[in-house]
Amino acid sequence: NAGVTQTPKFRVLKTGQSMTLLCAQDMNHEYMYWYRQDPGMGLRLIHYSVGEGTTAKGEVPDGYNVSRLKKQNFLLGLESAAPSQTSVYFCASHFQDSTLEAFFGQGTRLTVV
Amino acid sequence: DQQVKQNSPSLSVQEGRISILNCDYTNSMFDYFLWYKKYPAEGPTFLISISSIKDKNEDGRFTVFLNKSAKHLSLHIVPSQPGDSAVYFCAASARGGANNLFFGTGTRLTVIP
Repeated sequence: NAGVTQTPKFRVLKTGQSMTLLCAQDMNHEYMYWYRQDPGMGLRLIHYSVGEGTTAKGEVPDGYNVSRLKKQNFLLGLESAAPSQTSVYFCASHFQDSTLEAFFGQGTRLTVV
Repeated sequence: DQQVKQNSPSLSVQEGRISILNCDYTNSMFDYFLWYKKYPAEGPTFLISISSIKDKNEDGRFTVFLNKSAKHLSLHIVPSQPGDSAVYFCAASARGGANNLFFGTGTRLTVIP
């Protein structure tokens, strides 16, 4: 059982390049989230989804887009990467009726130069 | 503005002693609180939670205390073990909303053998 898997684990981008981070979960969870973790800032919510075909903005959505075309996948896109988007990105998921005990992926370390 | 605050970035404790990690919150709408544990290069993992209708929840060596009037919660680990060395994140949610979790900045616990 893989749980929550993030692809890639590491990436270096040049300013202005685009990329997509993939989150895949095999637990049939309805809710999925993308967070970023920065030093001294904790984890901040970028976007989330409460089900297939739905997305919503979180605390820091600017510069990111997301899609949830399949229940098991949640994609995070950066259309034009900026150095301020250098961060560690975490995906998480849980059941709709859960007590928010979300399962997290192992993280993606992104550096924008 | 941080709605969930962990004012101690780090804590060192001798093996076998009690570890006390603290967390404060500002949003009176928060009614569910969680602690997550994070090892380097891994995603956070759920540790323990508490609803606002309780003031204490215990799970083995881990106990979470909630003081609603002070908007404060704490995590007690007794006895502390070297394997407990990790970063601990406090998180809070207003469950009537979108189930978004707001995280603190984390406290790095080091248990000294």
